[in-house]
This record gives sequence, C-alpha cells and structure tokens, in this order.
Amino acid sequence: TQLLEQSPQFLSIQEGENLTVYCNSSSVFSSLQWYRQEPGEGPVLLVTVVTGGEVKKLKRLTFQFGDARKDSSLHITAAQPGDTGLYLCAEAKLTFGGGTRVLVKP
Amino acid sequence: SQTIHQWPATLVQPVGSPLSLECTVEGTSNPNLYWYRQAAGRGLQLLFYSVGIGQISSEVPQNLSASRPQDRQFILSSKKLLLSDSGFYLCAWRDWTDWNTEAFFGQGTRLTVV
Repeated sequence: TQLLEQSPQFLSIQEGENLTVYCNSSSVFSSLQWYRQEPGEGPVLLVTVVTGGEVKKLKRLTFQFGDARKDSSLHITAAQPGDTGLYLCAEAKLTFGGGTRVLVKP
Repeated sequence: SQTIHQWPATLVQPVGSPLSLECTVEGTSNPNLYWYRQAAGRGLQLLFYSVGIGQISSEVPQNLSASRPQDRQFILSSKKLLLSDSGFYLCAWRDWTDWNTEAFFGQGTRLTVV
C-alpha cells in the first residue's frame, strides 16, 4: 500500500491570504486526486492529475503534480471562508493521505 | 444518475454488541466498492474494497469484516464491537473501468461505541 503524507496537518489563515498544502510519497504516483471534505459529509473530488509536471486550475485553486510524480501541491489564492474544510489527496487505488484541515477566518 | 445510500447516519452501540452497516449503489453496474473509517479531523483509513460480488480485499487486520452479497450492496460487520471501533464510517463507489475516475461517497455513519 502506497503511503501518502500530507502537510501541514492544520492551517489557519485570514480571509484573503494564500495557502499551499502538500502531498508526498516515496513511491511514484500513477495518478493523484484531491478531495475536499466538509464536516459530517463525504469527500468531494476537486481534481485528478495524471501527467508529471501537470498544472490544473479550478477558479482560485491551483494543483501541481511533481515532475517525478512523487508529490503534489494545492495552492489557494485569496482564500475565502467557504474554502474551509479538510483537504485530502488520494492515489489511484483510493488510499488517502492524513489530510490537511484548513480554517479560513473572516 | 448514480446514487449511493448509506445507513444508519448515527449509531450508538455498547461494547461487545454486533454491528451491521449497509451501503447500496443505484444507477451503475459492477462498481468498485470501498469502506473507510475516519477519526475526527483526520484522513480516511481504507478498511475494505471489493471489485465484484463475493470479492473482498482487507487492507487493515481488525475487528471488522465486509461482505458483498449483491453487485451493488456492501456490508460492514462486526461480531463484537470494541471501544476503538468508534469513528465515522464512509462507503464509496467508483467506476470499475478507470482508476482515475471520481469516487463518490455516502453521507457516512457516525458510530459511537460505549
């Protein structure tokens, strides 16, 4: 089973600030997915990255897949309170990382 | 369209009692099915997954078992619950044809063992 490490575990920022969360593995990912989960609900897919060096944008969210396909990052520009949640990365077999809990204060 | 149902939403059970959580999927055939457990504010721990009827893979040895008696039904069970079995349990499905497709999750069951 591929181990995914996410950092930081928790991030608290003010509305309007930027943030970056990371997902790393010692093994190569065949693909990687990012999900967001709100309390009491199941995770919802944000993006899937497949190609090394790939960059995808979803409004204020930018996802990068490392050239070696061993790491990925999620960057949020001008964070809003609605971005608050648990951000999870998952590899192709749906093993998840430990998550990063993001709190955006108004 | 596809939907996933998971029940019950909350459950309080005494130590030593049995457990049965059910998950059903509608609108798709031969889905890959998954059971996860989640501690508060933490990531998802994959417990079991299934690629077909009667085919169960266990990721973590523990006090739980899973069964898939029908194509779109996935059941999580325990004969005797432990305090450590408390947590948020999530069922998910994904299209069997492509591992890069989205996984869809149920609303979860919050289990408290007392």
